Order: sequence, then C-alpha cells, then structure tokens
Amino acid sequence: DIQMTQSPSTLSASVGDRVTITCRASQSISSWLAWYQQKPGKAPKLLIYKASRLESGVPSRFSGTGSGTEFTLTITSLQPDDFATYYCQQYIVYSTFGPGTKVDIK
Amino acid sequence: EVQLVESGGGLVQPGRSLRLSCVASGFSLDEYAMHWVRQVPGKGLEWVSGIDWNSRSTGYADSVKGRFTISRDNAKNSLYLQMNSLRAEDTALYYCARSTRAQLLQIRFDYWGQGTLVTVSS
Repeated sequence: DIQMTQSPSTLSASVGDRVTITCRASQSISSWLAWYQQKPGKAPKLLIYKASRLESGVPSRFSGTGSGTEFTLTITSLQPDDFATYYCQQYIVYSTFGPGTKVDIK
Repeated sequence: EVQLVESGGGLVQPGRSLRLSCVASGFSLDEYAMHWVRQVPGKGLEWVSGIDWNSRSTGYADSVKGRFTISRDNAKNSLYLQMNSLRAEDTALYYCARSTRAQLLQIRFDYWGQGTLVTVSS
C-alpha cells in the first residue's frame, strides 16, 4: 500500500503570507497527486490535480509542484477564505489521502 | 447543478448491517465512476470503495474488504454501500464522491455530497 505523509500538521500564518505544505509518498506516484481543501462542516474541495494542474474555478494563488515522491502546495498571499485543512491524495493506485495540514490564523 | 445526497446513516450495534444510499442529480451517472470516502469526525479522509460506470469493476480499502459491498443503479441515479459486520472503527461520516473518469482509474474526486453519519456502538 502507498502511504502518504504531510508536513507540517499545523501551520499558523497571517493574511498575505506565502504558505507551503509538503506531501510525501512512500513510493513513486509519478504525478498522480491531488490537493483538496476542507473547511469545518464541509466536504473537501478539489484544488489541484496531476500535481500541478489547477482545477477550474480555483484561484491562481494556489499552485502545486513535484513528482515521484515529493510534492508541495503553495498558497501565495494567503486570504481569509484560505484558512482550512489541506489534504494530498495519491491516485496512481486507487486512492490514499495524507493526514492533512491545518492552516490557522497566527 | 451537480448534487450528491447521501442517506441511510444512523446508530447501529457492532456486528449489524447498514445500507447507505446516494442519489445523484445534475449529471448523467452512467458517465462516471463513483466512490465512498469516509472521515472520522475531526480526523482525516479514507477512501472506502469505488465502482466503475457499468459496475464491472469495484475496489475496496483493505479495512472494509469482505464486509462492505458497493453497487449502483444508473437508472435510479443511485449509488449504494452495503455495510455488514460493522465495527466501532467504522464510525465515521460517509461521503459519496464522483470521480472524474468512468473507469476505476486515476481516481480524483470533483464533486462530493455532504455525508451521512454512521455510528457503530452498543
């Protein structure tokens, strides 16, 4: 089974900050990685797929990079609406999610 | 507008069964693979099971294999999850989610329901 890890588990930031979240896979997943945003009481929302492709309607301040086993999600200029939990997901073999990174207000 | 509405959750004793349903609207169900993803309140996401567009292929997480069965009825725009031999660790919010492809490949989820809560307790 492919295991996913994320760091940090919690990140405190201010509006306007640049934020980077790292996701690692236990084996190579090529670029079969997605990122989701989840707010309390809501279903997850797809942000990025194929490691770096922005889902339609997602603001361009979100970007993704990486391939193989190491990936990053970057939010340039954090906005009030961005405080949430972010999950990475491998989808080369079925699906496995990372444990999540909570972005909260500093 | 794409909508996914789950139902069937509730309180059930360990060892008993429960059947979840998901009704889809706003798109043609027979063009997409569909999935169940669960989340223990306050915890992370776990893919549970998926089924391709014509029910020929299904997949399960190891944690539910042999106990859960996924099915669909495209004519009724519905997805199901039959859960047997339930355990306390199955307690979670169960989401119905649409995959972006018809096949059970490259599974990413572009639409989600709001979830139905399953609580397994005596």
